[in-house]
Amino acid sequence: SQQGEEDPQALSIQEGENATMNCSYKTSINNLQWYRQNSGRGLVHLILIRSNEREKHSGRLRVTLDTSKKSSSLLITASRAADTASYFCATDEQGAQKLVFGQGTRLTINP
Amino acid sequence: SAVISQKPSRDICQRGTSLTIQCQVDSQVTMMFWYRQQPGQSLTLIATANQGSEATYESGFVIDKFPISRPNLTFSTLTVSNMSPEDSSIYLCSVVSRGGHNYGYTFGSGTRLTVV
Repeated sequence: SQQGEEDPQALSIQEGENATMNCSYKTSINNLQWYRQNSGRGLVHLILIRSNEREKHSGRLRVTLDTSKKSSSLLITASRAADTASYFCATDEQGAQKLVFGQGTRLTINP
Repeated sequence: SAVISQKPSRDICQRGTSLTIQCQVDSQVTMMFWYRQQPGQSLTLIATANQGSEATYESGFVIDKFPISRPNLTFSTLTVSNMSPEDSSIYLCSVVSRGGHNYGYTFGSGTRLTVV
């Protein structure tokens, strides 16, 4: 079953603005991961944050994790048209050895 | 990270028929995962396939409908049996990236299935 809830479901911003997506989950995790999917194609792994980490950066991406609130956020700074895609959070559950995906956020960057 | 070749990339099938999807990985992996993504939805795990043992299916998925083979550590197939239009989805395979669980998962490019 899906345990991750993401908001917003859809986000439309202007190029150059920052985009923030949020994810909540329910169980204990080893790590939380963010993926991008372009037009229903395969998923691309963006960034992974471990359960003992609070913040992580990769290029224009910044991820935070609050295990007390069971929530995470993905920030994309200085957005570009090429960032238009669906973004999914996924949790690697403790003891389960599988990924559980959130519902996703459809991000549209307007030129 | 591992590289996955997934075939076919898309297919249009008649209801009542079956389709077998293949995933080939460029390295040996213990577990392979099969997901379904219904139109406009997120990914749902169908089953986990270990080499040398029967696949472990998630709630709502059964072996008769989605038989899985895992003949070796680099290859797996998923069959969608007795298809109906409700099976129209994208099907994806996945493996844990080289380096283990703290390095994310790698996904195949997906199979877009349309059942008519």
